[in-house]
Amino acid sequence: DIVLTQSPATLSLSPGDRATLSCRASQSVTSYLAWYQQKPGQAPRLLIYGASNRATGIPARFSGSGSGTDFTLTISSLEPEDFAVYYCQQRSNWPSMYTFGQGTKLEIK
Amino acid sequence: QITLKESGPTLVKPTQTLTLTCTFSGFSLSTSGLSVGWVRRPPGKALEWLALIFWDDDKRYSPSLKSRLTVTKDTSKNQVVLTMTNMDPVDTATYYCAHSDHRGWFDPWGQGTLVTVSS
Repeated sequence: DIVLTQSPATLSLSPGDRATLSCRASQSVTSYLAWYQQKPGQAPRLLIYGASNRATGIPARFSGSGSGTDFTLTISSLEPEDFAVYYCQQRSNWPSMYTFGQGTKLEIK
Repeated sequence: QITLKESGPTLVKPTQTLTLTCTFSGFSLSTSGLSVGWVRRPPGKALEWLALIFWDDDKRYSPSLKSRLTVTKDTSKNQVVLTMTNMDPVDTATYYCAHSDHRGWFDPWGQGTLVTVSS
């Protein structure tokens, strides 16, 4: 089974800072990787799919990169509403299943 | 506009079977390539994928929970049902259903329903 490892577990930054979140897969997932944002009391929201494509309505300050086993979510300049938990997720063909990382909590410094 | 909503009991006793229903609108689960998945998040823990059902009734389950899970669909009612047997307090979580397709992303999600397992 493919394991996704996110780092860091917690990231403390200030509004206006640049945030870089990492997701590493235990084996190649090619570009079948997505990023989600979850705020307290809310459902997760899709941010990035296919490793680097922004979902509908997602601001341009969010960007994704990587392929194979190493992926990055970058938030270029943090807004107050960006402080949340972020998850990466992969879909593998064989066995056909889906996995989430353990999450990165982005908190206000 | 696609919307999904989960419904079911908020409290179940240990060893009981949980049945959750996902009622959706804005798409048909008879459309080629589409699917509906289930994901949960225990309090203070990470998201965990549980199961997924495709338009052609193909089903996928988390290997760690496969023996306890069953997912079915009623296309005429626009509903997907998840059952989980032998519930335990560690299964206490917010359970979400979400729209997906052949690419494997979950978007959008239902609002979630908190299920507590306690005697």
